[in-house]
Amino acid sequence: GENVEQHPSTLSVQEGDSAVIKCTYSDSASNYFPWYKQELGKGPQLIIDIRSNVGEKKDQRIAVTLNKTAKHFSLHITETQPEDSAVYFCAASPNDYKLSFGAGTTVTVRA
Amino acid sequence: SAVISQKPSRDICQRGTSLTIQCQVDSQVTMMFWYRQQPGQSLTLIATANQGSEATYESGFVIDKFPISRPNLTFSTLTVSNMSPEDSSIYLCSVELTGKTQYFGPGTRLLVL
Repeated sequence: GENVEQHPSTLSVQEGDSAVIKCTYSDSASNYFPWYKQELGKGPQLIIDIRSNVGEKKDQRIAVTLNKTAKHFSLHITETQPEDSAVYFCAASPNDYKLSFGAGTTVTVRA
Repeated sequence: SAVISQKPSRDICQRGTSLTIQCQVDSQVTMMFWYRQQPGQSLTLIATANQGSEATYESGFVIDKFPISRPNLTFSTLTVSNMSPEDSSIYLCSVELTGKTQYFGPGTRLLVL
């Protein structure tokens, strides 16, 4: 099955700086790559996703890039704010509906 | 997106007992899923809740331990049976809308003593 590795496991950034989280996947058939943000005591919230026919997607301060050849994708958060502090999960999905999740990255934005 | 609710939001249970978790979505959806998130860990798919037929379980999860019902296209239940402390986790339901996009409920936080 699909195996997703996520790095780093923790990330501390100064408010206003950028944060980058990287994921690699193993199954070349994967074609859908969502990112979720989970705040303490809440369920995961979909923040952005990308499909294999697109190399980059941006939504305000959040962007995701995909390199199908290298089988890796990344989340970029610019101008970080304290409310960006959370655990972020990447996921990959091959041809069926299943999502395989990375281990998560705990992001802390220092004021 | 979809509005998903879960009941209960949290519970503390004694070992050997069972707990049924409810998941309600505000629109009809074909695909509903149940996940487990152990403390400080990632999400693991338990099963797909199929409407009108038996749930499809992932490797390592069995129907006797995690029976699932899906009586209609907006509702599902997950039961955690004969609980032990190792079952202490967050249990999450999710629904798939268009194009594999999954949305999650708020989760049920379970502590087994």
